Amino acid sequence: NAGVTQTPKFRILKIGQSMTLQCTQDMNHNYMYWYRQDPGMGLKLIYYSVGAGITDKGEVPNGYNVSRSTTEDFPLRLELAAPSQTSVYFCASSGTGNSNQPQHFGDGTRLSIL
Amino acid sequence: QKEVEQDPGPLSVPEGAIVSLNCTYSNSAFQYFMWYRQYSRKGPELLMYTYSSGNKEDGRFTAQVDKSSKYISLFIRDSQPSDSATYLCAMTASGGSYIPTFGRGTSLIVHP
Repeated sequence: NAGVTQTPKFRILKIGQSMTLQCTQDMNHNYMYWYRQDPGMGLKLIYYSVGAGITDKGEVPNGYNVSRSTTEDFPLRLELAAPSQTSVYFCASSGTGNSNQPQHFGDGTRLSIL
Repeated sequence: QKEVEQDPGPLSVPEGAIVSLNCTYSNSAFQYFMWYRQYSRKGPELLMYTYSSGNKEDGRFTAQVDKSSKYISLFIRDSQPSDSATYLCAMTASGGSYIPTFGRGTSLIVHP
């Protein structure tokens, strides 16, 4: 099994450009999450989803949008890229039901906004 | 006060040393405790997962939870250079949202 797959691995954007970070999981997990990780700052939750068609804001949602049309995919969209969005983005998934299960992470997308 | 406090380090130890990594927390509702290991340029990977208080051992790794003190620890015995990574603690409350709260991570360097 591939687990959680994120694409692209690296990207450089210009200020004001838009892009979509892709995330897919093959573990049939209900829960999916997007985090950003800045140096020395730990993981900050951007958005999460408890199932297809259901999304909710996390701690730092401004400037981002998500959708969850299938169980497998949870793309993160940046509409107007800003330098403050330079970060490493991690997608994660957990759980096959209502039980409390640890998260499984992808290897991240490194994004630079110049 | 942050909900989960974790010293960012770096913690530098010689090969073979016993390493102790710690987190403190303020939310008494936390029941599930996790340790993740994150190598450079990789995503976090689950290392240990415990429920409520007590110890759990897996090879060279031991996770310890002291709910009365709101303190969790990860011990690494006979540390190896391959253990050099950032270690993040995470915890969730039972019931309701299963969104974990993460510590900032501690950078560990094991030198030969």
